[in-house]
Amino acid sequence: AQKITQTQPGMFVQEKEAVTLDCTYDTSDPSYGLFWYKQPSSGEMIFLIYQGSYDQQNATEGRYSLNFQKARKSANLVISASQLGDSAMYFCAMRGRNSGNTPLVFGKGTRLSVIA
Amino acid sequence: DGGITQSPKYLFRKEGQNVTLSCEQNLNHDAMYWYRQDPGQGLRLIYYSQIVNDFQKGDIAEGYSVSREKKESFPLTVTSAQKNPTAFYLCASTIVSTGSGELFFGEGSRLTVL
Repeated sequence: AQKITQTQPGMFVQEKEAVTLDCTYDTSDPSYGLFWYKQPSSGEMIFLIYQGSYDQQNATEGRYSLNFQKARKSANLVISASQLGDSAMYFCAMRGRNSGNTPLVFGKGTRLSVIA
Repeated sequence: DGGITQSPKYLFRKEGQNVTLSCEQNLNHDAMYWYRQDPGQGLRLIYYSQIVNDFQKGDIAEGYSVSREKKESFPLTVTSAQKNPTAFYLCASTIVSTGSGELFFGEGSRLTVL
């Protein structure tokens, strides 16, 4: 079974600063995938970034990067140059790739507030 | 445009009533999922289906039922047996493949029991 832990219920960051949202995971699968989603107040879930456990480099997508430390079982999301529109809930999730397209397991989320 | 449509967006129900939440996708995705979200909580899996006419229980299936008669449709029924049904419900889909397989989500349905 997979488990995702997000220890920061809420975070504040100044506009234009960088912020790191923490995510640790636990799995017995040798191959797995890690995901980050953003949920604005409207409720929709927006896919941000993906990291495969065997990917050699950390994933990046525009201002989002994933700091993947396999030995520590952590997959922290880094948002550079924060914008007011980044204020939202952020969820870390994972899937054991060996399990095919089984459902994602989600953490409890971190609420990010960007301050002008 | 391709996407996932959930309806209704808001729903009020009296105790003891069954309600059905609709989820339709035109992405030609094989797998579909239902998650429940409570305030301050992550998403918890209710049911999922990887192929038509087949579905599996998730972590919190008690009090819910689903069907998958068509590839594009995966309705969720919240029965009167569900003790605390007030929540935000999210439907998602993905292609069954060896790729990253990220989930695509609908906009959600907010159910309130009066």
